[in-house]
Amino acid sequence: GQNIDQPTEMTATEGAIVQINCTYQTSGFNGLFWYQQHAGEAPTFLSYNVLDGLEEKGRFSSFLSRSKGYSYLLLKELQMKDSASYLCAVRGDNAGNMLTFGGGTRLMVKP
Amino acid sequence: DVKVTQSSRYLVKRTGEKVFLECVQDMDHENMFWYRQDPGLGLRLIYFSYDVKMKEKGDIPEGYSVSREKKERFSLILESASTNQTSMYLCASSTRTVSYNEQFFGPGTRLTVL
Repeated sequence: GQNIDQPTEMTATEGAIVQINCTYQTSGFNGLFWYQQHAGEAPTFLSYNVLDGLEEKGRFSSFLSRSKGYSYLLLKELQMKDSASYLCAVRGDNAGNMLTFGGGTRLMVKP
Repeated sequence: DVKVTQSSRYLVKRTGEKVFLECVQDMDHENMFWYRQDPGLGLRLIYFSYDVKMKEKGDIPEGYSVSREKKERFSLILESASTNQTSMYLCASSTRTVSYNEQFFGPGTRLTVL
């Protein structure tokens, strides 16, 4: 089975940097995804890691350590519009591209 | 541009009613998924399908069934709705290729069962 943990809520200041952590315990691993979800909207894809290391995409970066079962999403130069929930999801080594999601981290960006 | 659409954004049903939630994707994706999302519990997989007429149970299939008669359409059925099925329901689709193939989500259906 899969178990994915991430903090429930975080608060940060506009312009700052915030790191959202995700730890996982899985019976198989075939990639980790981060999604962003604004209130009342569908989740949208942010990043994908399958190898160890850092993937950078503009203001957002995602890191993976497979040996530690650990990932983080780094958001730089925070903007008010970054207030959203951030979902960590792990794909196991199963057919059908099944993802198991963590509970999500609700990020509030304050002026 | 990938598009996943769901038949309703909001739905109110009564206990015992049969409920159909429809999902359509226009990107010829092989895989389709139904999740429910509840506060504090995140997204939980109900059922998924990796081909027409194929279906697999997810983590919480009890009380639900699905139908995939055409590649682009995946339906979620609540045979006899109950109040504990009040939730946000999200449909998603993806390609079958095993690599960078994120799931694309529909806008969601917020179902209230009275």
